[in-house]
Amino acid sequence: KNEVEQSPQNLTAQEGEFITINCSYSVGISALHWLQQHPGGGIVSLFMLSSGKKKHGRLIATINIQEKHSSLHITASHPRDSAVYICAAVGQETSGSRLTFGEGTQLTVNP
Amino acid sequence: EAGVTQSPTHLIKTRGQQATLRCSPISGHTSVYWYQQALGLGLQFLLWYDEGEERNRGNFPPRFSGRQFPNYSSELNVNALELEDSALYLCASSLDFGEPYNEQFFGPGTRLTVL
Repeated sequence: KNEVEQSPQNLTAQEGEFITINCSYSVGISALHWLQQHPGGGIVSLFMLSSGKKKHGRLIATINIQEKHSSLHITASHPRDSAVYICAAVGQETSGSRLTFGEGTQLTVNP
Repeated sequence: EAGVTQSPTHLIKTRGQQATLRCSPISGHTSVYWYQQALGLGLQFLLWYDEGEERNRGNFPPRFSGRQFPNYSSELNVNALELEDSALYLCASSLDFGEPYNEQFFGPGTRLTVL
């Protein structure tokens, strides 16, 4: 069992739909990243959070430390949101600041 | 402010050769992280440098090595290349490690192809 698990692995949506991607982790963490990776490989950090909720435009990320679960929501999805979304947990203490990644969710938004 | 930069963008080598990948962190960042994303696989932690020292390494053989220079830039060296080393290698940087956690910012990556 991976330390960080995401669901779903693949997600296809119609433009305008509300999208949720889930991330569960089994280790203690200092923080959690949500990352976006477009074809070609470049990675952009969307959020870094250690508690509660953050919002940037149409993107919302939440984390529940007690339940070891985080979600990324996209409201009013658009074809340009098509990308791989990856959650990454920041280890605690002995593992330092290394990131442990989920396997990613391939999102395709059709017009 | 310039982001994390990596060079080269693409690198083609043959099996048994050595590859050197370079990373320049964001100005003021002292920690540099290296990650590997092999085709069809997820991202995996390779190495972490801070203040010139290796702080942690992932589950990779010793032929993966690196260093961090006094200006905080970093090199990743892969010796005796194998076909399965073909991957996207990503570098990230952050302010010094510790609590609270400092966010990592990613470079564009170097795509290494081993023939």
